Amino acid sequence: EPEVTQTPSHQVTQMGQEVILRCVPISNHLYFYWYRQILGQKVEFLVSFYNNEISEKSEIFDDQFSVERPDGSNFTLKIRSTKLEDSAMYFCASGPRLSGANVLTFGAGSRLTVL
Amino acid sequence: QKEVEQDPGPLSVPEGAIVSLNCTYSNSAFQYFMWYRQYSRKGPELLMYTYSSGNKEDGRFTAQVDKSSKYISLFIRDSQPSDSATYLCATLQGAQKLVFGQGTRLTINP
Repeated sequence: EPEVTQTPSHQVTQMGQEVILRCVPISNHLYFYWYRQILGQKVEFLVSFYNNEISEKSEIFDDQFSVERPDGSNFTLKIRSTKLEDSAMYFCASGPRLSGANVLTFGAGSRLTVL
Repeated sequence: QKEVEQDPGPLSVPEGAIVSLNCTYSNSAFQYFMWYRQYSRKGPELLMYTYSSGNKEDGRFTAQVDKSSKYISLFIRDSQPSDSATYLCATLQGAQKLVFGQGTRLTINP
């Protein structure tokens, strides 16, 4: 069964450092997403990406965050200068179409710990 | 008012029991409702989705939406230890954004 692959599974970084989280979506999917889950809290939407541009982003997704699809297969989330409150599990997801029931497949997540 | 509310549990039941998981939502414009299952150290996995009101059944799982009361439910019949996981309800806001509940941690005891 096709799956969304995320790397690294766990990253520890110092506050202020740049972090890049990587995702390989399912190959025939067109819509890509990042969600995050702070420990003990809800899974929350960060950003959606289609046709090489951001289609929607949340208030969380400020100038410190960026996404790109550099080579047609990987989908990355960059945090420019990490803060303690960025510590969370980050989930990448992809979907085949934009519809009322866009069925998303989530990856296993990348745990980010900011010290 | 929070958009999707879900009792975080934990909920512990014996094997074979019928499990009822519930959420409420605030925005009557929501039309699509999903249930995700999340095992430890894994991402959410879609179990079922429903559109508008009504029931949908898939094997031992039944999803139910009552738009008049803004209430969504997931029933698990003949629960198994392998059903032990966190169950997340979610609604679709707009065309792309999933809004999740807190998640309910469920344990099925053999």
